[in-house]
Amino acid sequence: GAGVSQSPSNKVTEKGKDVELRCDPISGHTALYWYRQSLGQGLEFLIYFQGNSAPDKSGLPSDRFSAERTGGSVSTLTIQRTQQEDSAVYLCASSPGVGAYNEQFFGPGTRLTVL
Amino acid sequence: LAKTTQPISMDSYEGQEVNITCSHNNIATNDYITWYQQFPSQGPRFIIQGYKTKVTNEVASLFIPADRKSSTLSLPRVSLSDTAVYYCLVGGTTSGTYKYIFGTGTRLKVLA
Repeated sequence: GAGVSQSPSNKVTEKGKDVELRCDPISGHTALYWYRQSLGQGLEFLIYFQGNSAPDKSGLPSDRFSAERTGGSVSTLTIQRTQQEDSAVYLCASSPGVGAYNEQFFGPGTRLTVL
Repeated sequence: LAKTTQPISMDSYEGQEVNITCSHNNIATNDYITWYQQFPSQGPRFIIQGYKTKVTNEVASLFIPADRKSSTLSLPRVSLSDTAVYYCLVGGTTSGTYKYIFGTGTRLKVLA
């Protein structure tokens, strides 16, 4: 079956612009996660959704970052007034449930470059 | 939540067994340990998961000591295609919400 898809695969934007990153999880997966991977760095957990609800937003790097999920499916990560330090690969994952024992299935990521 | 550290890199030869250890001294009672493999320009891919003791699947084994403050991923008889970055992930609940901490990653290079 189809895996997790993300769009766009690459995004180049100018400093100060807003960007929207999209994630389509595996059908039927109730949990969805966003991570950030800066160049040559590890993965930084940003936020997770249980259904349409994000119980904890404290992992978002700043108030310029927001995320939503509608219909228990597609999620968007929005970055307002982008800064150069926002340049990174943004990875989305989904799992059948939100428990930590669930395998997370990752998408290929969106590479964001802020000029 | 647990901070996780791993060796930055390792080299091995084809056919050898490789062991990669992740340190997570502050692991909580309900945290699970999962290992992922990542190739360039791809998302991480699940390898194995455990809570305690030893777990084995068709590609790897995971050893977790009784105190759970570390875990070791064992890859038997590696091949060139196992060259990748390997991450441990410690995930669990804190006050009813989940957090996930990836390790720093270990870059494994398999040599012919």
